Amino acid sequence: GENVEQHPSTLSVQEGDSAVIKCTYSDSASNYFPWYKQELGKRPQLIIDIRSNVGEKKDQRIAVTLNKTAKHFSLHITETQPEDSAVYFCAASTGTALIFGKGTTLSVSS
Amino acid sequence: DVKVTQSSRYLVKRTGEKVFLECVQDMDHENMFWYRQDPGLGLRLIYFSYDVKMKEKGDIPEGYSVSREKKERFSLILESASTNQTSMYLCASHPGTNTEKLFFGSGTQLSVL
Repeated sequence: GENVEQHPSTLSVQEGDSAVIKCTYSDSASNYFPWYKQELGKRPQLIIDIRSNVGEKKDQRIAVTLNKTAKHFSLHITETQPEDSAVYFCAASTGTALIFGKGTTLSVSS
Repeated sequence: DVKVTQSSRYLVKRTGEKVFLECVQDMDHENMFWYRQDPGLGLRLIYFSYDVKMKEKGDIPEGYSVSREKKERFSLILESASTNQTSMYLCASHPGTNTEKLFFGSGTQLSVL
């Protein structure tokens, strides 16, 4: 089955810096790659997603890139703010069920 | 707005007990999922269901079973709870057509003593 690796497990940045989280997946049939944000004590919420027919997608300060050949996708957050502090999960799906990475704890200090 | 409701926020059970975790969604979603969340391990898929009475094993089904008798309700069953099943359990659903966005419940923190 699908396996998703996510790095780094923790990431600390200064407010205003950029943050990058990287994921790799194993199943070449995967075609959907979402990113979820989970704030402390809350449920995961979808922040951005990308399908395999698209190489990049941007939504304000958040962007996701996909390299199908390398089976690699990344989340980029620019101009980080303290409210970006949370756990971020990447995931991959072949159209059946989402398989998640282990998560990245992002801390943004002001 | 989609609502996914899990019956208990916190649950404490004894080793060997049979435990039922209930999840109800109100948007007629076809697909429902059970994940467990442990620190450092992320969200791991236990079971999922495409339709009433249909179920599929996820990555870690051992020690669990599920039931989906009605479209809106998906139950996770721990046949004989063990201490290593102490975890946060998250239910989720999605419509199954044109979108795979998951809507999560608020979770059930289960402690098995």
